[in-house]
Formats: sequence, C-alpha cells, structure tokens
Amino acid sequence: GAVVSQHPSRVICKSGTSVKIECRSLDFQATTMFWYRQFPKKSLMLMATSNEGSKATYEQGVEKDKFLINHASLTLSTLTVTSAHPEDSSFYICSASAGLAGQYFGPGTRLTVL
Amino acid sequence: QQQVKQSPQSLIVQKGGISIINCAYENTAFDYFPWYQQFPGKGPALLIAIRPDVSEKKEGRFTISFNKSAKQFSLHIMDSQPGDSATYFCAAGLEYGNKLVFGAGTILRVKS
Repeated sequence: GAVVSQHPSRVICKSGTSVKIECRSLDFQATTMFWYRQFPKKSLMLMATSNEGSKATYEQGVEKDKFLINHASLTLSTLTVTSAHPEDSSFYICSASAGLAGQYFGPGTRLTVL
Repeated sequence: QQQVKQSPQSLIVQKGGISIINCAYENTAFDYFPWYQQFPGKGPALLIAIRPDVSEKKEGRFTISFNKSAKQFSLHIMDSQPGDSATYFCAAGLEYGNKLVFGAGTILRVKS
C-alpha cells in the first residue's frame, strides 16, 4: 500500500517552455500533497503544500507564479514549471499524506532545461 | 527552532556491522520522527517512524532510539548489507499530515 506515482520520470525541455508534472496517490486518498525540490547530494527542499480543493501554501522564497500547483482531487496534484530556465533544472519529488500515516514519496521527476 | 541536525554526513561500514545515524531537533512540539532511505535517482522511501511516547522501535534490522529529554533520535541498522548503501534522511514534524523538516542526509556505504 501507500504507492505514489509521478509522471514523467524524466523531461528535457527548451528554455521558455512550460512543463507539467503529475503526482498520483494510487491506493489511498491523499488529503495533503507536498512538492519538493532536491539538488544533487542535498536534502529535500519543501516548495509547497497543497490540500485538495484549496490553494497551495508556498514556502518562503518559492515563486508561486513560476511553480503552479493544482490539487484537483484526492489522488492527483500537478506542478507546472512555467517559462522554465536552466536554473530550474532539478529533481522534483512529490509526496502524499492521508493524515496519520506520514508522507509517502513518489519516484521523482528529473527536469533538464536546455 | 525548525532545524533538524543530522550526523554524520557520510558513513562507511563493513558488511555485518552496525550503522548508526544521529539526529537532533529543536522544536519540542514535534511528535512524529520518520526515517527515509533514498537510492540515487529515486524518491525517498519511508523506512521506520517513531512517536515520542516510546523510546525505541524495531522493525527487522532497523531500530529507532528516541531520547525525548535530549531531543535526539537515532537510526541503527544491524547486520548492515551492501544493499543498504543509500542516503538516509531523518525528519521531524507534527503528525496529522503536516509538513516535515528534514535533516541534511547521511550517505551510507556498506563495504562487502
């Protein structure tokens, strides 16, 4: 149980384009989903927290107009990196929580912006 | 007050040995302390978690020891195996699906 998927696993795009990453909880309903960014050999940096049907809460320093988060249902959240630039290249990971059971992470999405 | 300090940064252990990773937190309101294991290019996987009403929790070869008064907790991996080689993150937070504060991570290498 507690499986979270992400799609795509890897994406390469040109500078200036937008990229959408999907996060799905496959076998449970996630009341809360989290989006993280991870640089090589570094810890996870929380970008935002989203609850189904409400606006995401962004961490300090994270541009909400650049990183659009939608939590349309209890099993799906999306992160859209708008007008991506090379400095947005990173490993993006989502996690999902059903409350008491803690956070379960997806496999991550490697974004490379050329 | 939100930090979680993790040590060591890296660790090399012989096969069959005990791997020990330590974490210290500051916020006394935290009541949920999970450990995650991450392999390169993969998302973190929940290994084991503890709540502050117990001092130790064991699952297979993995044990969490928790010292509430010292605000410290540690992960012990018994009989360490090469397949345990990964990055381990401790975290702390409030239960009920709230956000977690992560440690910096420990890169474990188990030599065969």
